[in-house]
Amino acid sequence: DGGITQSPKYLFRKEGQNVTLSCEQNLNHDAMYWYRQDPGQGLRLIYYSQIVNDFQKGDIAEGYSVSREKKESFPLTVTSAQKNPTAFYLCASTPGQLTYYGYTFGSGTRLTVV
Amino acid sequence: SQQGEEDPQALSIQEGENATMNCSYKTSINNLQWYRQNSGRGLVHLILIRSNEREKHSGRLRVTLDTSKKSSSLLITASRAADTASYFCASLQGGSEKLVFGKGTKLTVNP
Repeated sequence: DGGITQSPKYLFRKEGQNVTLSCEQNLNHDAMYWYRQDPGQGLRLIYYSQIVNDFQKGDIAEGYSVSREKKESFPLTVTSAQKNPTAFYLCASTPGQLTYYGYTFGSGTRLTVV
Repeated sequence: SQQGEEDPQALSIQEGENATMNCSYKTSINNLQWYRQNSGRGLVHLILIRSNEREKHSGRLRVTLDTSKKSSSLLITASRAADTASYFCASLQGGSEKLVFGKGTKLTVNP
């Protein structure tokens, strides 16, 4: 079955450490997105990519970085510059223009600073 | 920035009753979408309604859109315990490439 796989499901980060969250899709979707969700809150956009080797900042990009070297993969790195990284991170994809399509989401990665 | 705001923030009903959730947004939109999120999981796309549509149905779901009032509602009929989840609206502004989500309505359906 096609879908989006996020790994790991749980991740613990020490102070000053960079960590990378994986997002892989086998849906042949062009566009991919990273959202952050804090408790009781909606989703806030971190980065998005509509084509390989190109990506744009979302509303809260500071302290995060991404790459899009392959269509199927859109990893997110949470750097030490992100001062409050504890959150639930969701990756999503869509086949094309959002005018016609909704998102397909992964099951998320819960990141905790220890 | 939060475009959509859901109302109520939390809703508790009995199995078999109908559940209605509302969403308001601020600027003109291309379409509005509703998603469901079970606790600790990713979101699932439920339904998309375009700005030139007024009502849409999918199984037990009915969505309405009133662009003059900048609002949408999601009705779940004959609710089941399995409908317990958070429900989010997300809007696509004209010319935008990204969805903007509200904070969600937490629905509890008691058996």
